[in-house]
Amino acid sequence: GESVGLHLPTLSVQEGDNSIINCAYSNSASDYFIWYKQESGKGPQFIIDIRSNMDKRQGQRVTVLLNKTVKHLSLQIAATQPGDSAVYFCAEIPYNFNKFYFGSGTKLNVKP
Amino acid sequence: NAGVTQTPKFQVLKTGQSMTLQCAQDMNHEYMSWYRQDPGMGLRLIHYSVGAGITDQGEVPNGYNVSRSTTEDFPLRLLSAAPSQTSVYFCASSYSSDQGGNTFGSGTRLTVV
Repeated sequence: GESVGLHLPTLSVQEGDNSIINCAYSNSASDYFIWYKQESGKGPQFIIDIRSNMDKRQGQRVTVLLNKTVKHLSLQIAATQPGDSAVYFCAEIPYNFNKFYFGSGTKLNVKP
Repeated sequence: NAGVTQTPKFQVLKTGQSMTLQCAQDMNHEYMSWYRQDPGMGLRLIHYSVGAGITDQGEVPNGYNVSRSTTEDFPLRLLSAAPSQTSVYFCASSYSSDQGGNTFGSGTRLTVV
């Protein structure tokens, strides 16, 4: 199967700091990438997505960067808040393949 | 809109029993999928459907069946439960597999003893 992994299983940041969560993918033909947030006891929640024809996409306090050369994806959260504490997953969808491949997740711990 | 509704929220089965996990969405989404999530791991795709009458296998389909008779419903059947199927199961839906990400249900926690 496809390989989507994360460099850091746990990330602790101070409230107000910026957070960067990283993800590596293996399929250079992948077309679509998504970041999800999962709070304890809940299903994953869509945060932001990006297509392979883009390098960067911004949302509210979040930015996703895609580096196709090294097959790397990152999620940047600005001014991290306690409510951002959760597990974050990246997902990869190969072109025309209809299947989502999830990474193992990074736990973000925001310290007050 | 209720979004994606999964039932039951919790279930305990004995080895060898069968059961169906229900999933329904009211957003007129064509794409629906089932995942399992094991402790400390990401989600793994079990089965998916791109529309009514169409289903296909994901990464870990063995021991599970699905059907898609309507756009709204996508039940997951465990044929003969095994302890290895102890997991949290999530159903998800979206307009398509490459548009806007999935909306997930709240999950079913299944324990097989």
